Amino acid sequence: SQQGEEDPQALSIQEGENATMNCSYKTSINNLQWYRQNSGRGLVHLILIRSNEREKHSGRLRVTLDTSKKSSSLLITASRAADTASYFCATDDGRQGGSEKLVFGKGTKLTVNP
Amino acid sequence: DAMVIQNPRYQVTQFGKPVTLSCSQTLNHNVMYWYQQKSSQAPKLLFHYYDKDFNNEADTPDNFQSRRPNTSFCFLDIRSPGLGDAAMYLCATSIGQGITDTQYFGPGTRLTVL
Repeated sequence: SQQGEEDPQALSIQEGENATMNCSYKTSINNLQWYRQNSGRGLVHLILIRSNEREKHSGRLRVTLDTSKKSSSLLITASRAADTASYFCATDDGRQGGSEKLVFGKGTKLTVNP
Repeated sequence: DAMVIQNPRYQVTQFGKPVTLSCSQTLNHNVMYWYQQKSSQAPKLLFHYYDKDFNNEADTPDNFQSRRPNTSFCFLDIRSPGLGDAAMYLCATSIGQGITDTQYFGPGTRLTVL
């Protein structure tokens, strides 16, 4: 069953603006990951945040995790046209020691207009 | 560069005609996955191998089978493709099942069923 749900489904912004995408999940997790997918391509891993972490940064990306609300957000600052892609959150199933399985949400389609 | 390679990138088959999609990796990862992704949907895990151990998802149709003859290669066989099997098929790998292990995706094979 689907674990993550992204919000919004689609987001259109101007270059230079910040983009925020949210993800909610249902069960306990060990980690939450964000992936990016350019149109017609495979997914690329962006960032992983563990359940005992609250915030993580990578370049222009900032991810927060609120395990009490079972939600995460991905912020892309100073967006560029090249950031246009779909963004997916993915969670494991919370098993102790980890799990090789991920469950992906439906994704947020981000369009950054030049 | 170490990577996940999928061939072909585009595959056209006829209704009911068996088709095989291939995936290879130079990462020497233990785990290999096959996902199905339909338009504007989340990637859906079909099955995965941890080394030679095959793990089928409960809702994966019997029409879909997989082989992993060695660490580097994994194949997806669709015995009798139907129109509903038209999708992007994504192969991915990961080192193992640790809670910080991420997945590395190939570019995908887009399957068209005529």
